[in-house]
Amino acid sequence: EIVLTQSPATLSLSPGERAALSCRASQSVSSYLAWYQQKPGQAPRLLIYDTSNRATGIPARFSGSGSGTDFTLTISSLEPEDFAVYYCQQRSNWPYTFGQGTKLEIK
Amino acid sequence: QVQLVQSGAEVKKPGASVRVSCRAFGYTFNGYYIHWVRQAPGQGPEWMGWINPKSGDTNYVQKFQGRVSMTRDPSINTAYMELISLTSDDTAVYYCAKYGVSHYYMDVWGKGTTVIVSS
Repeated sequence: EIVLTQSPATLSLSPGERAALSCRASQSVSSYLAWYQQKPGQAPRLLIYDTSNRATGIPARFSGSGSGTDFTLTISSLEPEDFAVYYCQQRSNWPYTFGQGTKLEIK
Repeated sequence: QVQLVQSGAEVKKPGASVRVSCRAFGYTFNGYYIHWVRQAPGQGPEWMGWINPKSGDTNYVQKFQGRVSMTRDPSINTAYMELISLTSDDTAVYYCAKYGVSHYYMDVWGKGTTVIVSS
């Protein structure tokens, strides 16, 4: 099973700042990696798929990069609604797996 | 509007079983696998498996083999997930979800069904 390790566990930033969230895989997942955003009491929301493609309706301030084992989700300028938990997920190998999440909190 | 509507919260005793339903609206039910994912309190999501609504074929994560059963009723566009021999470790929110039209990631999710296992 591929283990996804996200860092940092918590990231404290202010609105308007740039956020960079990391996801490292225990073995290569090629480009088969997605990012989800989750707010309390809600289901995860797909942001980015196949490393760098924005899902429908996702603002351009969200971008993804990386390949193989190292991936980054970047939020160029934080809006108040962006403070949430973010998960990466791979679909390279079954069982598909999620990371443990990065909580993005307001500083 | 494409949506997945799940059944309500459940409270079960250890050793019991639970069945969660997921009804699809706004798209061709047979056209997309239904995936089941659970999330324990404070944890990341965990894949449980999927079902092909057209054929009934299933694929379960090994961890849940022998305890989970995913079925469907195409006549009412509904998928089901049953989990038996519940323990407190099964306390979680259970989600159904489907892939997108142009990619293989979950972009439509149900709101989740809370299952609490407690004596």
